[in-house]
Amino acid sequence: AQSVTQPDIHITVSEGASLELRCNYSYGATPYLFWYVQSPGQGLQLLLKYFSGDTLVQGIKGFEAEFKRSQSSFNLRKPSVHWSDAAEYFCAVGGNNFNKFYFGSGTKLNVKP
Amino acid sequence: GAVVSQHPSWVICKSGTSVKIECRSLDFQATTMFWYRQFPKQSLMLMATSNEGSKATYEQGVEKDKFLINHASLTLSTLTVTSAHPEDSSFYICSDPSHTFGSGTRLTVV
Repeated sequence: AQSVTQPDIHITVSEGASLELRCNYSYGATPYLFWYVQSPGQGLQLLLKYFSGDTLVQGIKGFEAEFKRSQSSFNLRKPSVHWSDAAEYFCAVGGNNFNKFYFGSGTKLNVKP
Repeated sequence: GAVVSQHPSWVICKSGTSVKIECRSLDFQATTMFWYRQFPKQSLMLMATSNEGSKATYEQGVEKDKFLINHASLTLSTLTVTSAHPEDSSFYICSDPSHTFGSGTRLTVV
């Protein structure tokens, strides 16, 4: 069965500290993996995506993610968090570019001043 | 990149009335669009896949008679919540096949 697990519901980090958000997936075919960010009451903004090639993917706002097939993981990282990064982050997996998505439950990030 | 326009961004309606939500793919000819629902403090759940010129494909447990989906052109898909009830209050969001999302619609049924 297809699924995405984000084990951390809430994470709090201090501004300037590093961040890693975990994502594990289960997918029966070659996975296409995505990270989105959602601010309260807003839609989803794509941070980055992985289709193939280099397993370390760079995204917007200084985020990166690493695809590890052996661990079925696609963790999101940022070396130095800014207060404006406080939001909810969703990991998603799909098939090819035109297949439906499966979302994780989300991780809410709080940033301490 | 692709742009998806969703309208309205919020709507309040009375129980028993119907509400239509539009999703436009502004620079992508979308034969398929995806509709999701997000309850408060929860993740997004796929409701249905709209298919241009044919019937939508609904996910298990989604009432097709309550959530009417029309995809009449390559740029427009609509979701109509019929005979809305308070339990239909939610955040509805669409995406195009490139998984670019609209800004979402907050529906409140009173």
